[in-house]
Amino acid sequence: AQTVTQSQPEMSVQEAETVTLSCTYDTSESDYYLFWYKQPPSRQMILVIRQEAYKQQNATENRFSVNFQKAAKSFSLKISDSQLGDAAMYFCAYRPPPSGGYQKVTFGTGTKLQVIP
Amino acid sequence: GAGVSQSPRYKVAKRGQDVALRCDPISGHVSLFWYQQALGQGPEFLTYFQNEAQLDKSGLPSDRFFAERPEGSVSTLKIQRTQQEDSAVYLCASSLSGLSSYEQYFGPGTRLTVT
Repeated sequence: AQTVTQSQPEMSVQEAETVTLSCTYDTSESDYYLFWYKQPPSRQMILVIRQEAYKQQNATENRFSVNFQKAAKSFSLKISDSQLGDAAMYFCAYRPPPSGGYQKVTFGTGTKLQVIP
Repeated sequence: GAGVSQSPRYKVAKRGQDVALRCDPISGHVSLFWYQQALGQGPEFLTYFQNEAQLDKSGLPSDRFFAERPEGSVSTLKIQRTQQEDSAVYLCASSLSGLSSYEQYFGPGTRLTVT
C-alpha cells in the first residue's frame, strides 16, 4: 500500500518570506500523480499544485512550486512571498498510475502553516 | 458555477443515534468520493461511486456505515448507531471521472460530533 509522510506537523514563516514543506511517499509504481492540497480553517480542500511523475520538470503555479525528486520519492512544496492568506493546513497526496478505472487518493497527515505578519 | 456542497455543516449526535450526511456534487461529475478526516489527520478514503454504482467501499470502517447515490447525483452517507470514534469531519469530493488525470473537487465537509 502507498504511504505519504509529512514529517512537519507545523511550520511558520514571516510574511513575504519563503517556506518549504516536506513530503515523502512510498510506491513501487513508476508513473503516478502527486498533489499538494490546501485546507483553510473553513475546511474546503483546494488543489494547489499537481505533478505527474513521468514529467521531469517541476510544476509551478504562481508563488507555489515543487521540488520533485523521483528517485528519493520526495515531493516538497515551496511557497514564495508568503501571504497571510497562505495560512492553512497543507496536505501532500498521492494517486496511483492512470491505468484506467478510478484511482483513490492517499493523503499525508498534513502540515499546519502559520504566516506571521 | 456551484461547487460541491454538503449538509449539514455541523451535526451533533448522541451515541447510538443514526445520522445521514448529504453531498451534492458538481453537476455532471461522474465520480464521487467520501473521506473521513479525524482531528489532526489527513482524509481517509471511505467509498467511491461512479454514477450510481458503488465501485469501492473498502474504506468503510464497519457495517454501520452505508452510502448510496441512487440517481447518480446526490449521495448520502449514513451512519447507524453512532459511536464516539465516529466523530470526525466527513468530506465529499467529486470529479469528472475517476481517472487519475481528473482533479477532485472537495466540499466543505460535515463535522460530526458524537456525545
